Amino acid sequence: DIQMTQSPSSLSASVGDRVTITCRASQTIATYLNWYQQKPGKAPELLIYDASTLQSGFASRFTGGGSGTDFTLTISSLQPEDSATYYCQQNYDNPLVTFGGGTKVEIK
Amino acid sequence: EVQLVESGGGLVQPGGSLRLSCAASGFSFSHYWMHWVRQAPGKGLVWVSRINSEGTDRNYAGSVKGRLTISRDNAKKTLYLQINGLRDEDTAMYYCATGAGNSGRLDDWGQGTLVTVSS
Repeated sequence: DIQMTQSPSSLSASVGDRVTITCRASQTIATYLNWYQQKPGKAPELLIYDASTLQSGFASRFTGGGSGTDFTLTISSLQPEDSATYYCQQNYDNPLVTFGGGTKVEIK
Repeated sequence: EVQLVESGGGLVQPGGSLRLSCAASGFSFSHYWMHWVRQAPGKGLVWVSRINSEGTDRNYAGSVKGRLTISRDNAKKTLYLQINGLRDEDTAMYYCATGAGNSGRLDDWGQGTLVTVSS
């Protein structure tokens, strides 16, 4: 199975800060990389797909990048409603898709 | 609007069985691949299983193969997950989700149903 490693596992930042989360795959996955946002007590939601395409309904302050084995999710100006856990997922090794361990984003 | 409503979770003794359901509405259920993903309390997301739109092609995570069966009834617009031989490690929130074709991307999710395995 392809292993997905996210860093950091958690972070705390202030409103307006630029925040970057990293996701690394154990082997190349081209751009078969998706990001999900999960707020406390809620189901995950698809945030970004194919590494960099923003899902409808999400703010443009969220951007995804990368290809191969290294990927990033950046929040350009952190807002209170962005407090959540973010997961990356590879769907290169379909159907054996795998998720990263998650990054919990908290607001200072 | 896509709606997915899971049910069937609860407290079950080790070794027991459960059938989870996911009722779909707001989209053409019979045209979509469907998935189950689970999340143990305080832990991350783990893909469990998927089924194609016709119900003829099924895949499972290696850790659950042989104990779980995914199925669907397109006439009832409902997805199922039968879990047998329940173990402590099956304790989790179980989510159903729509697939983007057969890509493995998970577009819409239900709110989940909680399965607790305990004696």
